[in-house]
Amino acid sequence: ETAVFQTPNYHVTQVGNEVSFNCKQTLGHDTMYWYKQDSKKLLKIMFSYNNKQLIVNETVPRRFSPQSSDKAHLNLRIKSVEPEDSAVYLCASSPGTGVYEQYFGPGTRLTVL
Amino acid sequence: GQQVQQSPASLVLQEGENAELQCNFSSTATQLQWFYQRPGGSLVSLLYNPSGTKHTGRLTSTTVTKERRSSLHISSSQITDSGTYFCAMERDTGYQNFYFGKGTSLTVIP
Repeated sequence: ETAVFQTPNYHVTQVGNEVSFNCKQTLGHDTMYWYKQDSKKLLKIMFSYNNKQLIVNETVPRRFSPQSSDKAHLNLRIKSVEPEDSAVYLCASSPGTGVYEQYFGPGTRLTVL
Repeated sequence: GQQVQQSPASLVLQEGENAELQCNFSSTATQLQWFYQRPGGSLVSLLYNPSGTKHTGRLTSTTVTKERRSSLHISSSQITDSGTYFCAMERDTGYQNFYFGKGTSLTVIP
C-alpha cells in the first residue's frame, strides 16, 4: 500500500526551465528525504528535513531547493535545470525518532532536453 | 570513497537456487536496511536490520555490526525475485549520513 506519494510520475523539460516535484507522506513520519537515482541506478541523498531542520548534502548544486509546508510534505524545486539533472528523484520518509527505516515513493523521472 | 560496497555486482540463478548477497561498509552503521527495486520501479523495503538476524518470508538478513557487514539470503529463488537489491546504511545518528551501495542485480531464470 503506497504511503509516500509523488507527482508527477514523469516530466520532460528543456535546459534552463524551472521544475517542481511534489511529495506527500501519510505515515505520520517526522523526517523526509529526497534522493537522486542516476542512469546507473546510483542513489545519493540530496536533502533530509526534520522538524524544520534541513540537512543538505554539500554536493547538491544550489539550483536545487526543498520546500516544506508541514511535516507531511517535502517538495523539490529545481531553479534552472541542466542536462545532468536527468534522473529519477525519489522521496522517502522515516519515523525519525531514533529509527530511520525508510519508506520510498514511486519516484519522478526527469528528462532534460 | 565508497561507504557501502555490495557484492556480487550481478548474479544469475536458476529458479529454486539460493542467493547470498553481501554488504560491507566502511564505518560503523547505526541503521541498516535492505531494499529491492524492480526495473523501472521504486524502492521497496525488504528488511530493516541494524544488528542480528531477521527473517521475513524467504529472506534472511544477518548484520554483524562489529565486522561492518550484512548479508541477505534469499532461499528458493523465484523468477519474480529478479531485480536489483540495495543495501543502505547510516552511520552515527545523523540522518544526513544515509548511504546506498551500488546494488546487486539478480536475474532468476527458469
